[in-house]
Amino acid sequence: DIVMTQTPLSSPVTLGQPASISCRSSQSLVRSDGNTYLSWLQQRPGQPPRLLIYKISNRFSGVPDRFSGSGAGTDFTLRISRVEAEDVGVYYCTQGTLFPYTFGQGTRLEIK
Amino acid sequence: QVQLQESGPGLLKPSETLSLTCTVSGASLSSGRHFWSWVRQSPEKGLEWIGYSYYTGNSDYNPSLKSRVTISVDTSKNQFSLKLTSVTAADTAVYYCARGEERVVQGEYWGQGILVTVSS
Repeated sequence: DIVMTQTPLSSPVTLGQPASISCRSSQSLVRSDGNTYLSWLQQRPGQPPRLLIYKISNRFSGVPDRFSGSGAGTDFTLRISRVEAEDVGVYYCTQGTLFPYTFGQGTRLEIK
Repeated sequence: QVQLQESGPGLLKPSETLSLTCTVSGASLSSGRHFWSWVRQSPEKGLEWIGYSYYTGNSDYNPSLKSRVTISVDTSKNQFSLKLTSVTAADTAVYYCARGEERVVQGEYWGQGILVTVSS
């Protein structure tokens, strides 16, 4: 199985400041069709996961533009340009390139 | 807007069969190229993809669970279901149903989740 490793595991951030989360996969996530099926999810306290970003850098419907994704191959990054209080929660990367689909262990974003 | 809601027993004994249903509103299970998935989450294993049923009726499962899992779709009720046999304490988790597309099979829209506890 592809192992997804996120860093850091916890990220204290000041409101209004940027935040960045990294995700590394144990194998390349480029599929034979040329696409890279790397997504980011947000899980607020007591809530189900919510899709933020798909195929590395595409924001899902309704996701604020302060969220952005980048990367290629095995290394990916989620950035929040200016953290707001509602961004508190756990963020997960997940791959849909190779079977079985797997998730990172999560990065907890908290306010300083 | 697509909404999903899980339902089923919250407490099982070891060796019993877990049966959950996901009721979908705002979308039809028989239309569109959608993947109807189940994902579970536990403190020990984190998020774990269980499997999906595609709109064609084909299904596929995580190899770690494949021998015990069945996901099926009932288009007449606009529901899909999860069956997991011979449960143990290791199957204790919050179970989510989700609808995905090719770009994110794991799920673009997720249910609220249901806690299933396996205990004697």
